[in-house]
Amino acid sequence: DVQLVESGGDLVQPGGSLRLSCFASGFTFSGYSMNWVRQAPGKGLEWISYISPSGDTIYYADPVRGRFTISRDNAENSLYLQMNSLRDEDTAVYYCSNGFSTRGAGHWGPGTLVIVSS
Amino acid sequence: DVVLTQSPLSLPVTLGQPASISCRSSQSFVSSDGITHLNWFHQRPGQSPRRLIYQISNRDSGVPDRFSGSGSGTDFTLKISRVEAEDVGVYYCMQGVHWPLTFGGGTKVEIK
Repeated sequence: DVQLVESGGDLVQPGGSLRLSCFASGFTFSGYSMNWVRQAPGKGLEWISYISPSGDTIYYADPVRGRFTISRDNAENSLYLQMNSLRDEDTAVYYCSNGFSTRGAGHWGPGTLVIVSS
Repeated sequence: DVVLTQSPLSLPVTLGQPASISCRSSQSFVSSDGITHLNWFHQRPGQSPRRLIYQISNRDSGVPDRFSGSGSGTDFTLKISRVEAEDVGVYYCMQGVHWPLTFGGGTKVEIK
């Protein structure tokens, strides 16, 4: 079975940094693009970053561009999100997903909670 | 950005009755391979989203056949033929072609 498990969420002060991880199993990780999506408390879903299977193509949503960095290690079946200069509005549950629009994709992890507060 | 507008925002339904959710887009989104990447997700309270439908009408493995997706261009619909108790939660449409990828605002389905 496909499994995605996020980790690294924590309480952090504004301006601080955090690194999220997502460990994948049950599918050929190196063959799938990966994404991070977040959900602020009581709000809807917001896509924030994409990385291609090889890692050579990356996209970010405007609210995080320049502050967040997505990366992956195909040898370790892992996806990462380095989050710098965190703001209150970054408070959310962060999910990783193995894509959205193709057969075999569409899986999400349980999420990891990031709270940015002083 | 592609704006996806879902309606209604809230949908009270009677068990066993049909339900329909609309997703309208501010522009069309067809990929270079001619596919419209319109997807539907269901999120139960306290859980992560689960994909139900991809590419407008393809049901994911394990998704009951009472769920169906349809539409074209900028107008899409998710239908539940007979609502069951486990169908409560929030439904989101999502486009997977234009950056940034975008989600609709969600439709909350509850039992009357």
